[in-house]
Amino acid sequence: DVKVTQSSRYLVKRTGEKVFLECVQDMDHENMFWYRQDPGLGLRLIYFSYDVKMKEKGDIPEGYSVSREKKERFSLILESASTNQTSMYLCASSKGGGTASTGELFFGEGSRLTVL
Amino acid sequence: AQSVSQHNHHVILSEAASLELGCNYSYGGTVNLFWYVQYPGQHLQLLLKYFSGDPLVKGIKGFEAEFIKSKFSFNLRKPSVQWSDTAEYFCAVIPYSGGYQKVTFGTGTKLQVIP
Repeated sequence: DVKVTQSSRYLVKRTGEKVFLECVQDMDHENMFWYRQDPGLGLRLIYFSYDVKMKEKGDIPEGYSVSREKKERFSLILESASTNQTSMYLCASSKGGGTASTGELFFGEGSRLTVL
Repeated sequence: AQSVSQHNHHVILSEAASLELGCNYSYGGTVNLFWYVQYPGQHLQLLLKYFSGDPLVKGIKGFEAEFIKSKFSFNLRKPSVQWSDTAEYFCAVIPYSGGYQKVTFGTGTKLQVIP
């Protein structure tokens, strides 16, 4: 069974703290993504990566950074957490691009971050 | 840039009622279309997908969706809902092209089925 694993299901942090969210996939997928999910706003793309050490900004990258040192692992970093970053964070992966790729995303369970 | 609209934000139905959730997208080219579902406390998972061919696609748990190109729509349907269909449903669009494919999601529709 394919799997995307997010390291933490629930986190509570204080304003200004550095936060690491980690994601690991076991499907040898080239593409990995970080979304945030907020009520009424759906899923918004923060960053994505289509290869090791490659990253691209999504729609809402401000206040976030990412790291992809290995193909299976994609980390989301909040350098200085703020209350408006309280949200559910979803990691996803998909098979690489090209016409053979379907674009189907496989999601992790999500990490609910609360910033006080 | 493409966008996806889901006009129903919250739908409440009784068991056995029929369901139709609207999804419209804005993109002039060829697209791949998806419906994802998120059951309470679970991760998002694929419900069904359309790439090409028959515009009426069938997914898991009795769901189906129809792609109407002229209307830029991909509405989700189920003839008779069950309490277990209570979930949040997301429509998603990917432009059909080589290279990286950016997925655009709608804002989601929460479905509540009353026993």
